[in-house]
Amino acid sequence: IVMTQSPATLSVSPGDRVTLSCRASQSVDNKVAWYHQKPGQAPKVLLYGASARATDVPDRFSGSGSGTEFTLTISSLRSEDFAVYYCQQYSDWPLTFGQGTRLEIK
Amino acid sequence: EVQLVESGGGLVPPGGSLRLSCAASGFTFSSHSMNWVRQGPGKGLEWISSIDSSGTYIYYGDSAKGRFTTSRDNSKSSLYLHLNSLRADDTAVYYCARELRLGAPYFDSWGQGTLVTVSS
Repeated sequence: IVMTQSPATLSVSPGDRVTLSCRASQSVDNKVAWYHQKPGQAPKVLLYGASARATDVPDRFSGSGSGTEFTLTISSLRSEDFAVYYCQQYSDWPLTFGQGTRLEIK
Repeated sequence: EVQLVESGGGLVPPGGSLRLSCAASGFTFSSHSMNWVRQGPGKGLEWISSIDSSGTYIYYGDSAKGRFTTSRDNSKSSLYLHLNSLRADDTAVYYCARELRLGAPYFDSWGQGTLVTVSS
């Protein structure tokens, strides 16, 4: 299953509302997780089951979607949110990640 | 606190072999499936392998099939990845990652990674 994220890069400002997209090449039900990764660090899970927040994840992060279309929304960007965001499907083997969306400061 | 610490990375020539280890602590290792994920320089995340809690069921991504072998030792709370027939495009940071829930292979905890460089 190919996961395609868009856009590749997004230039945004602190305080902005941001929506990232992830499309699966076939239905994955709601079996999508989202991660973000800061330079030099390991990824950190944000959401699973397409919309459930992982432990200690702020409520400015939300997710939606099912089937083949998924979105991650950050309601008001903070400086610590500038990172690369990845979606991952876990509906079928092999597990696959999207290629990532980089949030950069405008 | 959950901790995953990878080791064993380094410089290896093309065609060579390496064994990576992941030492787990802070949770009941034998209750969780574990995974390996890698990230090439400047690239995205690539899932490599998953092993269930008992070590009975192991899954591999296409890039790992036939060359990499995943195993675990629950008595030592350790996960292993044996890398064989290494190629330049295997150069990457290799992470071990924990699955929080049975049957839901997404990753709630990651190690800091170990760098494997394949070069002559």
